[in-house]
Amino acid sequence: EAQVTQNPRYLITVTGKKLTVTCSQNMNHEYMSWYRQDPGLGLRQIYYSMNVEVTDKGDVPEGYKVSRKEKRNFPLILESPSPNQTSLYFCASSFSPWSEQYFGPGTRLTVT
Amino acid sequence: SQQGEEDPQALSIQEGENATMNCSYKTSINNLQWYRQNSGRGLVHLILIRSNEREKHSGRLRVTLDTSKKSSSLLITASRAADTASYFCATVSFTGNQFYFGTGTSLTVIP
Repeated sequence: EAQVTQNPRYLITVTGKKLTVTCSQNMNHEYMSWYRQDPGLGLRQIYYSMNVEVTDKGDVPEGYKVSRKEKRNFPLILESPSPNQTSLYFCASSFSPWSEQYFGPGTRLTVT
Repeated sequence: SQQGEEDPQALSIQEGENATMNCSYKTSINNLQWYRQNSGRGLVHLILIRSNEREKHSGRLRVTLDTSKKSSSLLITASRAADTASYFCATVSFTGNQFYFGTGTSLTVIP
């Protein structure tokens, strides 16, 4: 089944404790993205990747890191999480930036 | 920010009625896409309209695009309770690789 998976689905952590949210797709997509969704603000792109070893900042990259060592995986790293990073996070993938995006189920992160 | 705006923010209609939501964006685009999100879940792609198209249909969905006004509308005909969800438009600029979502319209269809 074609899908984007994210783990964990729910995470509660404390300020400053490094964490990684994994994202994996099985559709051989070139383009992958991370978004955060906050009430009233819609979805905002954090980082995107056009292909392996090619990543770029989106609208709200501060406080986040990504890597794309393999085509199928695109982990999101928060080196020192802060409460303002409490949000719902989505990973997505597609063949190109202009094509239909497939979304993961989301990761709800709470930073206390 | 190049994020789009959607109007209305919330819409409540009776089952069987039509629902129309609008999206405005800021830059020249390659295409415009509409997505649906059920309560905190991942978004699901509904329809894509290219910048050289003016109207597109898919089942009960009809999308229009006016590039001169930088706006699009999504019409859902004969709505059902199961259409209750949030709807987002999304664009990628013609020259860029970033994806921009609108702020969304929350649709409630009352049975």
